[in-house]
Amino acid sequence: AQSVTQLGSHVSVSEGALVLLRCNYSSSVPPYLFWYVQYPNQGLQLLLKYTSAATLVKGINGFEAEFKKSETSFHLTKPSAHMSDAAEYFCAVSDSARGGSEKLVFGKGTKLTVNP
Amino acid sequence: EPEVTQTPSHQVTQMGQEVILRCVPISNHLYFYWYRQILGQKVEFLVSFYNNEISEKSEIFDDQFSVERPDGSNFTLKIRSTKLEDSAMYFCASSEIGRLNTEAFFGQGTRLTVV
Repeated sequence: AQSVTQLGSHVSVSEGALVLLRCNYSSSVPPYLFWYVQYPNQGLQLLLKYTSAATLVKGINGFEAEFKKSETSFHLTKPSAHMSDAAEYFCAVSDSARGGSEKLVFGKGTKLTVNP
Repeated sequence: EPEVTQTPSHQVTQMGQEVILRCVPISNHLYFYWYRQILGQKVEFLVSFYNNEISEKSEIFDDQFSVERPDGSNFTLKIRSTKLEDSAMYFCASSEIGRLNTEAFFGQGTRLTVV
């Protein structure tokens, strides 16, 4: 079964600093990988996804992630944090489900705090 | 922009009562999902639904849970006899097709509190 590990349940950065949120996955087949963001009192919004094309994936709001097969990692980065980036971030991997559909297996999430 | 909508946003119920959580998926989507997140824990898959039947369900989705698409637009999750441990945020999602190289869109969630 697929699994995802997010290192660090809380990450705190200063405004303008680099954001690095770590995600490692376990998958028996080439995976699809995702980062979702959840702002307070809102649903899960897709930031970006890796679906076996380019290994460096660019998403919304200046975020990007790099798929590294040798390290089984899919870390999320942003060069310069903004106050509006404060949210919880979830890494997820696809897992096959019966009926031809797929489901997402999520990590525990990382809460990002941005300090002024 | 099309979105998945869930009602209510917050539901409080007494242990043993039945609850129905409602979702309106995006109109041209064919695959529907329920996930839940117990406070402080991972978002967990509950069930996927396609062509008016369950495609897959997790171990969590036992006999007290059921899903239905009663009228072609709503997608509901029923918990027959709620337990304290059912308290969680429940997310509905939908996707155009079942393959996850397309995007699954999530609703804002329903926070269920069982007292």
